[in-house]
Amino acid sequence: RKEVEQDPGPFNVPEGATVAFNCTYSNSASQSFFWYRQDCRKEPKLLMSVYSSGNEDGRFTAQLNRASQYISLLIRDSKLSDSATYLCVVNVGGSNYKLTFGKGTLLTVNP
Amino acid sequence: EPEVTQTPSHQVTQMGQEVILRCVPISNHLYFYWYRQILGQKVEFLVSFYNNEISEKSEIFDDQFSVERPDGSNFTLKIRSTKLEDSAMYFCASTGTGGLQPQHFGDGTRLSIL
Repeated sequence: RKEVEQDPGPFNVPEGATVAFNCTYSNSASQSFFWYRQDCRKEPKLLMSVYSSGNEDGRFTAQLNRASQYISLLIRDSKLSDSATYLCVVNVGGSNYKLTFGKGTLLTVNP
Repeated sequence: EPEVTQTPSHQVTQMGQEVILRCVPISNHLYFYWYRQILGQKVEFLVSFYNNEISEKSEIFDDQFSVERPDGSNFTLKIRSTKLEDSAMYFCASTGTGGLQPQHFGDGTRLSIL
C-alpha cells in the first residue's frame, strides 16, 4: 500500500464548481497533515494544515478522519486561479519530521 | 513574508561532474530539508538536518550525496559524480522550532545531467 494515496485525476471543472479531493495514508502514527498546491514546475506551496476537528479557510475546507486514515479537501466556487496540482502531505513525526507526499491530483478550472 | 531562496535556478552538468546546490533557509528556522522531484513523479524526501547534523536520510541519499551548513545562513546539497538519473527538481525546505509545523519550500533548482 502506498504511504500517501490520492485520487489520480485529472479533474476538469467549470468555474464556480465545487470539487473534492480525497487522500488516504498508511501510517497510523502520522501526526500532522497538510494540503499543498503545486503549479507546473514550481515549488509546493502550503495551502492549509489539516486539523482533527476539520478546518476552513475561505473557500477551502479540510477534513481529517484518523480512524479511517483519510484526508479530504473541498474547494467551493472554484476560480481559474485554483488550477494546479493538489498534494496531500503527511508528517509521520519523530525527530526527523520528514514530509511524505502523495503524487498529487491535477485540477483544471475552465472558464 | 520571509522565504527560502535557492540558487541556481537551473544547473546543467555533464555526467560524472560534481554539483553544489545552495539554499538560504528562513532565518529563524532550525530544521532544514532537501527533497527532489523527478519530472512527472511525486516529491521525495532526501535528507533532514538539525543542530548541524543529519537527523534522517532516505534510501536515495547514498554516498554520492552530502549536506553542509557552512555558515549561519547557507545550507548546501552536494552531489558527487552525478548520474543521468539525478536529473530532477531539487527543493530545499525549512521549518521553525516545532518540527510538526508546515515546511516552507524554496522555488527549486532544476538539475539537468547530460
